[in-house]
Amino acid sequence: EAQVTQNPRYLITVTGKKLTVTCSQNMNHEYMSWYRQDPGLGLRQIYYSMNVEVTDKGDVPEGYKVSRKEKRNFPLILESPSPNQTSLYFCASSLSRGARGVTGEAFFGQGTRLTVV
Amino acid sequence: EDKVVQSPLSLVVHEGDTVTLNCSYEVTNFRSLLWYKQEKKAPTFLFMLTSSGIEKKSGRLSSILDKKELFSILNITATQTGDSAVYLCARRGFGNEKLTFGTGTRLTIIP
Repeated sequence: EAQVTQNPRYLITVTGKKLTVTCSQNMNHEYMSWYRQDPGLGLRQIYYSMNVEVTDKGDVPEGYKVSRKEKRNFPLILESPSPNQTSLYFCASSLSRGARGVTGEAFFGQGTRLTVV
Repeated sequence: EDKVVQSPLSLVVHEGDTVTLNCSYEVTNFRSLLWYKQEKKAPTFLFMLTSSGIEKKSGRLSSILDKKELFSILNITATQTGDSAVYLCARRGFGNEKLTFGTGTRLTIIP
């Protein structure tokens, strides 16, 4: 079954304790991205990756890091989480065809609800 | 400005009614316009529109894009309680391929 898998689904942590949210897709998609969803603000892109070893900032990258060492995995790293990073996080992947860009829809993971206290 | 605006913010109708959800945007040059349904967690894909004036249909749902007037609509006919959800519209740009989302329309269907 085609899917994007995020872990964990729920996480409560304390300020400053480094954490990683994992994301894995089994569709051989080149394009992957992370979003956060907050009430009244909708989904906003944090980081994206066009392919292995190619990552770039989205609209709200402060306080986050990503890596793309393998095509299927795109972890989101919070080096020193703060309460304003409490949010619902989604990883998404899409098929990209080189110069034609992303030609398909985005497939979303089930989400990670993060609370930083 | 790179904005996607959805209206109404919230809509409550009775089962069987027909609803029209709106999505307007400001950037004229973009790759595609997408609609998603979000119930409890992950958004699920409904439609992707790339050409103006061509309606896409899936059962009771349909959508169309007007690139001249910079908007898209999502229609749901004969609504059912299972249609209750937040409906999201997103525009995919060129280059960074980013999806810019609207804040969504919360649709509630009363039995």
